[in-house]
Amino acid sequence: EIVLTQSPGTLSLSPGERATLSCRASQSVIGNYLAWYQQKPGQAPRLLIYGASTRAPGIPDRFSGSGSGTDFALTISRLEPEDFAVYYCQQYGGSLLYTFGQGTKLEIK
Amino acid sequence: QVQLQQSGPGLVKPSQTLSLTCPISGDSVYSDNVAWNWIRQSPSRGLEWLGRTYYKSKWYNDYAVSVKSRITISPDTSKNQFSLQLTSLTPEDTAVYYCVRGRWLAFDVWGQGTVVTVSS
Repeated sequence: EIVLTQSPGTLSLSPGERATLSCRASQSVIGNYLAWYQQKPGQAPRLLIYGASTRAPGIPDRFSGSGSGTDFALTISRLEPEDFAVYYCQQYGGSLLYTFGQGTKLEIK
Repeated sequence: QVQLQQSGPGLVKPSQTLSLTCPISGDSVYSDNVAWNWIRQSPSRGLEWLGRTYYKSKWYNDYAVSVKSRITISPDTSKNQFSLQLTSLTPEDTAVYYCVRGRWLAFDVWGQGTVVTVSS
């Protein structure tokens, strides 16, 4: 089972700042099949990035994904007010097929 | 625009069976290179993938090890929808259940979620 650990648990920043969220896998992620989601209260998660670095359709270019192997990151270049939410990473592979990280809460400072 | 509109009961008694359906609009249950999934979310377990069904010349299913003995996901081709059955419920199964389209080995379209509470 591949375990995904996200850090930090909570990130406090101001609009206009740059955010970097981390996702570390306990084993190498097959094919870099790593995705990122944004979730706001009362809503379903929304796909931002798949294949570690490909933006999903309609996602603004201030969101970018990077990394390979066991270390991945989601960067938001300039935070907008609507970006404050919880972010999850997810990987494909292993006996559980799909697993998610525990989430990083991005809050307004 | 693809939409998934979930339906099903929100309150289920322990030991009973949960049944949820997910009608698909804007896509087909037979679509190539997609899978139809169920995912749940609870404070204690986070986001948990439960299983999927997909068509590639015939129908296939994959299930999470944690629920494999209790789960069935099946397509209903006449109604262009898919469904979840989860048996022998316990309070640990209390969660928000989502039906989700899988694409690019990620999850790109989500239903609105159904809050399921297992309680007597």
